[in-house]
Amino acid sequence: QKEVEQNSGPLSVPEGAIASLNCTYSDRGSQSFFWYRQYSGKSPELIMFIYSNGDKEDGRFTAQLNKASQYVSLLIRDSQPSDSATYLCAVKMMNYGGSQGNLIFGKGTKLSVKP
Amino acid sequence: NAGVTQTPKFQVLKTGQSMTLQCAQDMNHNSMYWYRQDPGMGLRLIYYSASEGTTDKGEVPNGYNVSRLNKREFSLRLESAAPSQTSVYFCASSDIAGLFNEQFFGPGTRLTVL
Repeated sequence: QKEVEQNSGPLSVPEGAIASLNCTYSDRGSQSFFWYRQYSGKSPELIMFIYSNGDKEDGRFTAQLNKASQYVSLLIRDSQPSDSATYLCAVKMMNYGGSQGNLIFGKGTKLSVKP
Repeated sequence: NAGVTQTPKFQVLKTGQSMTLQCAQDMNHNSMYWYRQDPGMGLRLIYYSASEGTTDKGEVPNGYNVSRLNKREFSLRLESAAPSQTSVYFCASSDIAGLFNEQFFGPGTRLTVL
């Protein structure tokens, strides 16, 4: 069973704090990892992707990947109320949804940033 | 540059009715996808089209059909709607169906089947 697991939350952090969102995946052969943000009633929006072990930074966002532990995380520094949304982790897994491999999404973690 | 567009935004059907959800992208992407999103279930892949002229089943294809009309357009058809198909449907596209499968989503269609 190919799975992507996320804590559903809600995760509540004060404004200005670091929010840490975590994701584990079952397929050891997975190579591409994505973080999407979804505001209530809106469509998912890509915010970060990572392919190599280690950290990748983009502004206030840092994605971390540890393939040995099958773990990917997203850190949001200096969290703002506008960051309040559901964050979806997606993993490209071969043989999911067809032989070419497609994205399998976690169920998302709801983040609430309190002013 | 509109990205990925979907019509309609909202739809209410009665059980047994049929309808087609339309999707178009103007990013010259090769691959297109249809997902459904249900509370507590996350996004699940219904069908995808890796390139113009090809379509393949995803995780939950039963009750749906698709047509890749041309490179820009990918439609999803419900032949006989059932209450279990009440969901939010998202179309997405990506440049290549390979390692760098960064998908971009349309605004969604909220479908209710009574």
